[in-house]
Amino acid sequence: SQTIHQWPATLVQPVGSPLSLECTVEGTSNPNLYWYRQAAGRGLQLLFYSVGIGQISSEVPQNLSASRPQDRQFILSSKKLLLSDSGFYLCAWSVVRADTEAFFGQGTRLTVV
Amino acid sequence: QKEVEQDPGPLSVPEGAIVSLNCTYSNSAFQYFMWYRQYSRKGPELLMYTYSSGNKEDGRFTAQVDKSSKYISLFIRDSQPSDSATYLCAMSAPGGKLIFGQGTTLQVKP
Repeated sequence: SQTIHQWPATLVQPVGSPLSLECTVEGTSNPNLYWYRQAAGRGLQLLFYSVGIGQISSEVPQNLSASRPQDRQFILSSKKLLLSDSGFYLCAWSVVRADTEAFFGQGTRLTVV
Repeated sequence: QKEVEQDPGPLSVPEGAIVSLNCTYSNSAFQYFMWYRQYSRKGPELLMYTYSSGNKEDGRFTAQVDKSSKYISLFIRDSQPSDSATYLCAMSAPGGKLIFGQGTTLQVKP
């Protein structure tokens, strides 16, 4: 069966520090991969999605970047965190078709102080 | 205008009530419709999905899609305190990109 791992679960970082969140998927190949952010009391905002290695689409201009160095690995990064980067970050995967659901990791709660 | 609109609530109902959750959308290209449930501090979990107009039932949950009105609903029968969570609608555009609603917070009181 397919599983998705996302870590860390909780992170507190100072303003100006770098960020690296990692997500890996097991049990499937060539998945679509997604990074979402969820602010408190808000819905899910799509940040990045990837349909293959090295193929990243950015949805919202921001202080973050994403990379997909391997088929089932998706990394969210920042060189210098801002207070506004605080939130709940979720990684998700789906089968490469237009008509399929996505499966989520358990999320990383990031607090920038 | 947001592609997907969902009333954030909160919605509070007594145990045993029928709950109706709704989303509207503007993009007629959406082909696949989902409902997710999210407990506090957890990732969303898929509840139901459908890709056509009409109703789909799974236990106490019924998903309804009206493509002509660009309107989807989730009904929960005999609601339980364990149903208390945030419910997110999501829609798939061509290319597999999911767009989510804001989520509706539901509280079922014993």
